[in-house]
Amino acid sequence: AQSVTQLGSHVSVSEGALVLLRCNYSSSVPPYLFWYVQYPNQGLQLLLKYTSAATLVKGINGFEAEFKKSETSFHLTKPSAHMSDAAEYFCAVSEGSSSNTGKLIFGQGTTLQVKP
Amino acid sequence: DAGITQSPRHKVTETGTPVTLRCHQTENHRYMYWYRQDPGHGLRLIHYSYGVKDTDKGEVSDGYSVSRSKTEDFLLTLESATSSQTSVYFCAITAGLAGGSFNEQFFGPGTRLTVL
Repeated sequence: AQSVTQLGSHVSVSEGALVLLRCNYSSSVPPYLFWYVQYPNQGLQLLLKYTSAATLVKGINGFEAEFKKSETSFHLTKPSAHMSDAAEYFCAVSEGSSSNTGKLIFGQGTTLQVKP
Repeated sequence: DAGITQSPRHKVTETGTPVTLRCHQTENHRYMYWYRQDPGHGLRLIHYSYGVKDTDKGEVSDGYSVSRSKTEDFLLTLESATSSQTSVYFCAITAGLAGGSFNEQFFGPGTRLTVL
């Protein structure tokens, strides 16, 4: 069975500092991996996705993530945090095969706080 | 933004009453999903649909049923609501496979349901 673990339910950084949100996955087949962001009282918005092409994936708003198969990780980073990055972030995994139905397994979420 | 609407956006109901939530899309996407979001659990899949009248269970399907009589509408029904079903419910859609990889899911704005 697939699973996702996000290390740290709350992360706090200063404005301008590096953002690092951790995600580890478990999957018996090559996975597709996603990062979504949720702003208060809104739905989820895709930040970036990995679908077996380049292992370093660039997304919107300056975020990027690196797929590391040996570490079963897909950590999200941003070099310099902005106040507008404060939100909840979700890592998700889906089976990476043509027979799957696109179902997503989500991590528990990480709330990012950005301090002035 | 993907054309996804959910109705109602907020609902308060009493234990034991039936409740139906509606998801409507204008994208003509094949796949539709219902998730619930609870603190500490991220999003969990309730049911999904891979075509008109084609549905299947997700991770937390007990107490829920779904129907899809038209491509654009996916209904989630709580036959007899319980307090444990107090949650935020999200609908998501995806076109499915494209270019060998599964497209990302697009999420609706959510329905906040309170069962007293």
